[in-house]
Amino acid sequence: AQKVTQAQTEISVVEKEDVTLDCVYETRDTTYYLFWYKQPPSGELVFLIRRNSVDEQNEISGRYSWNFQKSTSSFNFTITASQVVDSAVYFCALKKVDSGYSTLTFGKGTMLLVSP
Amino acid sequence: NAGVTQTPKFRVLKTGQSMTLLCAQDMNHEYMYWYRQDPGMGLRLIHYSVGEGTTAKGEVPDGYNVSRLKKQNFLLGLESAAPSQTSVYFCASSYHLTGSDQPQHFGDGTRLSIL
Repeated sequence: AQKVTQAQTEISVVEKEDVTLDCVYETRDTTYYLFWYKQPPSGELVFLIRRNSVDEQNEISGRYSWNFQKSTSSFNFTITASQVVDSAVYFCALKKVDSGYSTLTFGKGTMLLVSP
Repeated sequence: NAGVTQTPKFRVLKTGQSMTLLCAQDMNHEYMYWYRQDPGMGLRLIHYSVGEGTTAKGEVPDGYNVSRLKKQNFLLGLESAAPSQTSVYFCASSYHLTGSDQPQHFGDGTRLSIL
């Protein structure tokens, strides 16, 4: 069975602080994919990044960076110099690929509050 | 760029009533999904479809039915609504490429309250 754990329910930071959101996953599959989604207060789900299990190269996109470590089954997300607009719920998700079908398992989310 | 459109956006039902949520996508995606989002639970998969005319159960399928008569539409039905089905429902769609990691694109959600 697959499982995604986001142990941090809520994080509060002050603007310009760096913050890391943790994601730990469990899977028996050798091939899988990991995703991060953002859900701002308006409610929509916004795709941020995907990573496959083969490529452990870290990725940076502007103020966002992701650290994938297969040895510890973690896919952590760091926001550098946080801004108020970063306030949202962030979901980590694991994608199983089974016989060509794929379904997403979501973590319970981490609510990030960035205050001015 | 409509993407994934959910109808309605809000609805209040009485226990025992039935209703259908509509999801439409204009991206020619093969896969479509229905999730529910509850406080502290994240998103949980209700049903999904890998193509026109096919459906499959997800993690929490009880009390729901779905149909995919057309590739662009995925309907979620509640035959006899229960207060436990009060939730925010999200539809999503994605391409199917074997071995690939195509992201799911989500609609804006439907907030459903069962009294």
